Amino acid sequence: GAGVSQSPSNKVTEKGKDVELRCDPISGHTALYWYRQSLGQGLEFLIYFQGNSAPDKSGLPSDRFSAERTGGSVSTLTIQRTQQEDSAVYLCASSPRQGGYNEQFFGPGTRLTVL
Amino acid sequence: GENVEQHPSTLSVQEGDSAVIKCTYSDSASNYFPWYKQELGKGPQLIIDIRSNVGEKKDQRIAVTLNKTAKHFSLHITETQPEDSAVYFCAASDSNYQLIWGAGTKLIIKP
Repeated sequence: GAGVSQSPSNKVTEKGKDVELRCDPISGHTALYWYRQSLGQGLEFLIYFQGNSAPDKSGLPSDRFSAERTGGSVSTLTIQRTQQEDSAVYLCASSPRQGGYNEQFFGPGTRLTVL
Repeated sequence: GENVEQHPSTLSVQEGDSAVIKCTYSDSASNYFPWYKQELGKGPQLIIDIRSNVGEKKDQRIAVTLNKTAKHFSLHITETQPEDSAVYFCAASDSNYQLIWGAGTKLIIKP
């Protein structure tokens, strides 16, 4: 079946512009995660959605970052007034159920470059 | 909170040899330890996991060992092949929704 998809695959933007990154999780998966991966680094947790519960936004690095998940499916990560330090690969993952025991299925990521 | 440390950051081994990657964790409440493999240009993919009621788990050429007393776990890859070249991440969870990730190990298989 279809895996997690993300769009765009690459995004180049100018400092100060806003960007939207999209994630389509696996159908039926109730949990959705956003991570940031800087070059050669590990995974930095950003935000977590589970069903209709309030999202855990504890990993968002600043108020320029926000995310939504509409209808329990598609999610959008928005970065306002982008800065050069926002340049990274943004990964989305979905999981069939709540709980850290469950496998996370990752999309291919969106590579964001802020000039 | 939980902290996961992973070593080495880069590992180069001859094709056919074994590779071992080690992780330590700080929270004794953690009880689930997955390993993910990330190939170039792709997202990480689960390759093996272990729960705290088990000391070792094998799947063909890969195995994971867990020492709860010492709070460390390791990934073992035997008879390495070129397709094993990737970045490997360990993680730990206490059954909450979050995984705490190690920094990753770049594994290079030399022909």
